[in-house]
This record gives sequence, C-alpha cells and structure tokens, in this order.
Amino acid sequence: NAGVTQTPKFQVLKTGQSMTLQCAQDMNHEYMSWYRQDPGMGLRLIHYSVGAGITDQGEVPNGYNVSRSTTEDFPLRLLSAAPSQTSVYFCASRWNRGNTIYFGEGSWLTVV
Amino acid sequence: KQEVTQIPAALSVPEGENLVLNCSFTDSAIYNLQWFRQDPGKGLTSLLLIQSSQREQTSGRLNASLDKSSGRSTLYIAASQPGDSATYLCAVSTGGSGGGADGLTFGKGTHLIIQP
Repeated sequence: NAGVTQTPKFQVLKTGQSMTLQCAQDMNHEYMSWYRQDPGMGLRLIHYSVGAGITDQGEVPNGYNVSRSTTEDFPLRLLSAAPSQTSVYFCASRWNRGNTIYFGEGSWLTVV
Repeated sequence: KQEVTQIPAALSVPEGENLVLNCSFTDSAIYNLQWFRQDPGKGLTSLLLIQSSQREQTSGRLNASLDKSSGRSTLYIAASQPGDSATYLCAVSTGGSGGGADGLTFGKGTHLIIQP
C-alpha cells in the first residue's frame, strides 16, 4: 500500500518558471490537501479538495493552482515561481474530517 | 481564527524519563485533535487522533488527553527512548459546513531530544 506519493522530492526552479508538484493517493480518500512548511511558520494550508471536481482555497493560496479531476490525484501548480515559494510542500489525504490524515514524504522546492 | 500553541518549543531529557508535551488552542469548537511525529527530512506520521467527544487515546507508551472546554491537550510519553527523538506537532480540525475551510491548524511543534 503506497499511501500518499509525492513527486518530485527535490526541485530547483528559476524565478518565473512554472511547474507542477504531483500527488497521488491509493486509499480512495475523498479529502486531499496541500500544505507548505516554513521555519518559524509551521504548516499552512494552501488548497484543499473534498472530492473530485471540488477544490477550495486555504490560508495561503496566492501563486498556486489546483485541480481534482480524479479521486486519486491532486496536483499543485506554481504558475510563476517566486523566491517566497521556496519551501517544503506536503500533500495529505483522509477519508473525511473525522479520520486520521496521512501525509506524503514532502517535496523540497528552491526558487532562485 | 484558530491558533494552536505548543509548549515547550524544545525539550532535552535523559533516556527513561516520562515526559509531557503541551498543546493549547483558542477555539474550543474543534472536530478532533491529532498528534504527529516528524523526523528530519520526512513527512508527518499520525500518532493519535482524539475526537471532540473523547477525553483520551492511548497507543503503546503514548497517551494523549483532550480537555476541549479549556482548549488543552497533552501528549504523555512513558519511559522515553532515544528513538523517540523527533519533532512532535499537534493539530486541530475545525468543523465547518459546506464549503467551509477544511484542513488542520498546526502548532509549531516541540523538538524533543532523548539523551542516551
């Protein structure tokens, strides 16, 4: 059982470039979310989805897009990378609000 | 806006000690509370999940309590071991209706070192 899989694990981007962080889960979870983790700031919610075709903004959505065309996949798109988006990104999933949440291993992104 | 605070920010104790990590939250209208462990360079692993109607949960040497009315949770680690060294985070889930914000509000964590 793979759980939550994120790719790539490491990425260096130049300012202005775009890229997509991939996230896939094989647990048939309805809820998926993206967080970023920064020193001194903790984990902050970027975007989330409560099911295929449904997405919404979290605390820090600016500069990011998401879509949820299938239950399994929830990609995060950086439209025009900025140094402020240098961070560790975590994808997570759970069956519903009352259940345990599972995290991927993280994606380390550096924007230069 | 929900805020979650963890005290202490860092803790170093000798092996074998029992210890308590604290978590407080400002809005008592929570759905549940989870404790996580994060090792360096890794993702978060869920340790214990306490629903808002529960008072405590236990898993092995770990016991988590929840006092929703006072906005507090504690994580008790018995007979600590060097392998327990990690950052421990608590997070609360605030219920909402319809399109209300889903997701967890995290504390900044307690960095725990168990000395051999």
